Amino acid sequence: DAKTTQPTSMDCAEGRAANLPCNHSTISGNEYVYWYRQIHSQGPQYIIHGLKNNETNEMASLIITEDRKSSTLILPHATLRDTAVYYCIVRSGGAGNMLTFGGGTRLMVKP
Amino acid sequence: GAVVSQHPSWVICKSGTSVKIECRSLDFQATTMFWYRQFPKQSLMLMATSNEGSKATYEQGVEKDKFLINHASLTLSTLTVTSAHPEDSSFYICSPQGNEQFFGPGTRLTVL
Repeated sequence: DAKTTQPTSMDCAEGRAANLPCNHSTISGNEYVYWYRQIHSQGPQYIIHGLKNNETNEMASLIITEDRKSSTLILPHATLRDTAVYYCIVRSGGAGNMLTFGGGTRLMVKP
Repeated sequence: GAVVSQHPSWVICKSGTSVKIECRSLDFQATTMFWYRQFPKQSLMLMATSNEGSKATYEQGVEKDKFLINHASLTLSTLTVTSAHPEDSSFYICSPQGNEQFFGPGTRLTVL
């Protein structure tokens, strides 16, 4: 799977939008972009995934650039409970492939 | 989304003992189960992939005789850490194969 690059950490004010960037410049045509987060001492939580179109669900929005070399996860109104490590993962098409985790971004939401 | 449970959620054991961790997919039939471990302040690392009714495949550097995986049914996979040592202390997480790939809540193992 292609590797991803994310900032190590970010801060965000409570109530503001949190925009988490991810670079995946070597992504190939059949690879999806997945986002997970991990709150301390819990298993990872699925957030959203996409191939090339922007996606939105009840948790977040995923914006993928036209060349698919980068993406941004947007939490529209961050709360203190959104403090977590956020992982951007590129995964080959098909549910059979495992996820390879990088270092992720530690998001700290501050009051 | 899929509901995945793990038992126990945490365990403390003496060095040399064996510990069994159960992973159940409660509303989902998992032909394949991924097992990860996470050391403090590190990311998740894939340990092995188990397939229902067949032998698991292990990642490089993971001893198959030490980490025994059984995937006897589509809803249950177990990981047994045999003769555990302090360096096996970690957070073990299972994840049934699927499009969205949900994860269990994890099992914290501490070996004294």
